[in-house]
Amino acid sequence: GENVEQHPSTLSVQEGDSAVIKCTYSDSASNYFPWYKQELGKRPQLIIDIRSNVGEKKDQRIAVTLNKTAKHFSLHITETQPEDSAVYFCAASPGAQKLVFGQGTRLTINP
Amino acid sequence: DAGVIQSPRHEVTEMGQEVTLRCKPISGHNSLFWYRQTMMRGLELLIYFNNNVPIDDSGMPEDRFSAKMPNASFSTLKIQPSEPRDSAVYFCASSLRTGGSYNEQFFGPGTRLTVL
Repeated sequence: GENVEQHPSTLSVQEGDSAVIKCTYSDSASNYFPWYKQELGKRPQLIIDIRSNVGEKKDQRIAVTLNKTAKHFSLHITETQPEDSAVYFCAASPGAQKLVFGQGTRLTINP
Repeated sequence: DAGVIQSPRHEVTEMGQEVTLRCKPISGHNSLFWYRQTMMRGLELLIYFNNNVPIDDSGMPEDRFSAKMPNASFSTLKIQPSEPRDSAVYFCASSLRTGGSYNEQFFGPGTRLTVL
């Protein structure tokens, strides 16, 4: 079955700097890759997603890139702000709406 | 819309007791997912339904776990008997499945289960 690896597990950056989180997946049939943000004690919420027919997608300060050949995708957050502090999860869908999540990255923005 | 509703929000029970978690999906959504979140194993899909029919229950850990969706607006996840290792946050999520496309899964607030 699908396996998603996410790195790093923790990331600390200075406010205003950029943050990058990387994920790899194993199933070449996967064609949908969402990213969720989970604040402490809260539910996961979708922040951006990308489908396999697109190599890059951007929404204001966040962007996602996808390399299907290498089976990896990344989340980029620019001009980080304190409210970006949270746990971020990548996921891959091998089909039929099923999502397999990475282990998560705890992002801390230092003022 | 009130979003996905889960109850109870917190449950503390003793080993061996039956636990029932409840979920009301967003009105109009036709797919429902049950997830379990722990520090060790992360966010795991347990089971999901399309149009009230269970599609994939390969993530259900063992026979002690069962899930039902008797109608489009209600689902339960039952653990009987419960064990301390079942302690986790259980999330329900729903989405609107349209053809073969992927759509956002909206998560509920979760139920924090503690089995003593």
